[in-house]
Amino acid sequence: DTEVTQTPKHLVMGMTNKKSLKCEQHMGHRAMYWYKQKAKKPPELMFVYSYEKLSINESVPSRFSPECPNSSLLNLHLHALQPEDSALYLCASSPGAGGAGELFFGEGSRLTVL
Amino acid sequence: GENVEQHPSTLSVQEGDSAVIKCTYSDSASNYFPWYKQELGKRPQLIIDIRSNVGEKKDQRIAVTLNKTAKHFSLHITETQPEDSAVYFCAASVNNNNDMRFGAGTRLTVKP
Repeated sequence: DTEVTQTPKHLVMGMTNKKSLKCEQHMGHRAMYWYKQKAKKPPELMFVYSYEKLSINESVPSRFSPECPNSSLLNLHLHALQPEDSALYLCASSPGAGGAGELFFGEGSRLTVL
Repeated sequence: GENVEQHPSTLSVQEGDSAVIKCTYSDSASNYFPWYKQELGKRPQLIIDIRSNVGEKKDQRIAVTLNKTAKHFSLHITETQPEDSAVYFCAASVNNNNDMRFGAGTRLTVKP
C-alpha cells in the first residue's frame, strides 16, 4: 500500500465551527506533514511530525491544531477559521529515517470557510 | 530557513522541444533536491530527485543537474509531450531533518 489517504475530500465550514481533517498511511513512514496550498501557489509547510513528535511548527495560527495519535495517523483540528484559510490541505508522509526522502502526498482536503 | 527560488513561472514549448526549469537555494546545508509534478486537480508527485553527492541524474526523458557551488539545480525535459503539461515544483531540504521547502512553481504547457 503506497497511498496516503485523506478525509474528507471536501469540507465547508463556518467561522464558528470545529472540524477535523484526517490523514492515514500504512507504509511504515515515520514522518508526516501538513501542507497548505492556495490556488496557483506551491505547497506551504505547516507542521511536521517525526516519530510521532511535533518537530516543525511554522508559526501557524493556533486555530490550526495538529495531532499525531500514532505512527499511521495525522489529524488537523480546525476551530474559528477565517475565510482566508480556504485552501487545499495536503497531508504527506516520508520514510523519516536516515534523512530526507520522497514525500508521498494524499489527494488533499479542499476546505472552504464561509 | 531554506528559501528556494524557481524560474520561469510559465514556460510554453512545442511538442518535441526541450524544456528547462531552474532553481536556486539559499541554505548551503541543503543536500536533497526533488522535483514534483502537479497536474490540475491532482496531488504533487515526485518525478526525479538528486542528492548532493552527485552532479547529474537522468531517468529517460528527464534529467536533473546540480551545482552545489552556485547553489543551482535544474530540471531538463527532452522530447516534450502534451502529457508533460503540468506545474513543476522544485524543492530542497537538509538531510537530517524533514523540512522540505518548495519553489514557486513553473507552469509548463506543451503545444501539440
